[in-house]
Amino acid sequence: DAKTTQPTSMDCAEGRAANLPCNHSTISGNEYVYWYRQIHSQGPQYIIHGLKNNETNEMASLIITEDRKSSTLILPHATLRDTAVYYCIVRVAERNTGNQFYFGTGTSLTVIP
Amino acid sequence: EPEVTQTPSHQVTQMGQEVILRCVPISNHLYFYWYRQILGQKVEFLVSFYNNEISEKSEIFDDQFSVERPDGSNFTLKIRSTKLEDSAMYFCASTGEGYEQYFGPGTRLTVT
Repeated sequence: DAKTTQPTSMDCAEGRAANLPCNHSTISGNEYVYWYRQIHSQGPQYIIHGLKNNETNEMASLIITEDRKSSTLILPHATLRDTAVYYCIVRVAERNTGNQFYFGTGTSLTVIP
Repeated sequence: EPEVTQTPSHQVTQMGQEVILRCVPISNHLYFYWYRQILGQKVEFLVSFYNNEISEKSEIFDDQFSVERPDGSNFTLKIRSTKLEDSAMYFCASTGEGYEQYFGPGTRLTVT
């Protein structure tokens, strides 16, 4: 069970920030929020993950609310190559864990020229 | 940058035939996974593998499926007698000491 709720689809103008929301109201204290994306039928690609603090890497920023019941993935300057399905996943993260991911249906982001 | 590789990229087989899908995980990774994605549907977990044995498996992973790590580099998924409904993209993934799973490009299996 994915345990997350995301909008089915979103559009974003090229060059603008894309803000993708995710609700995870039943998240447990030891569960992280992960974001992956899937471009066409390629393998899912890791973007970012976080526990409670906001995180930023070269691809995106992750903003997690204080109560941890929702989060937002931010692509600061969307390009056409960012058109993909974006998945928000919650799961326990421990070193050497074998826990698998349960994917939901994600948000289909279309970047418009 | 290290990556997960999968072969073949596309496999066509007849119903009832056995197929073996191959994966080479990232070399120092410890956990290995297979997922599948039927066209137009979500990515579904099949099985996880650690220390030469299955850690977890889903309801999809029935007796027709098996996994093996025959040597230090390959990780295979075997479907003993394929059915039409096995047609899907099959993704291999691996995890090292970090928290992220890295996915391969997938094998498209078409059962006719």
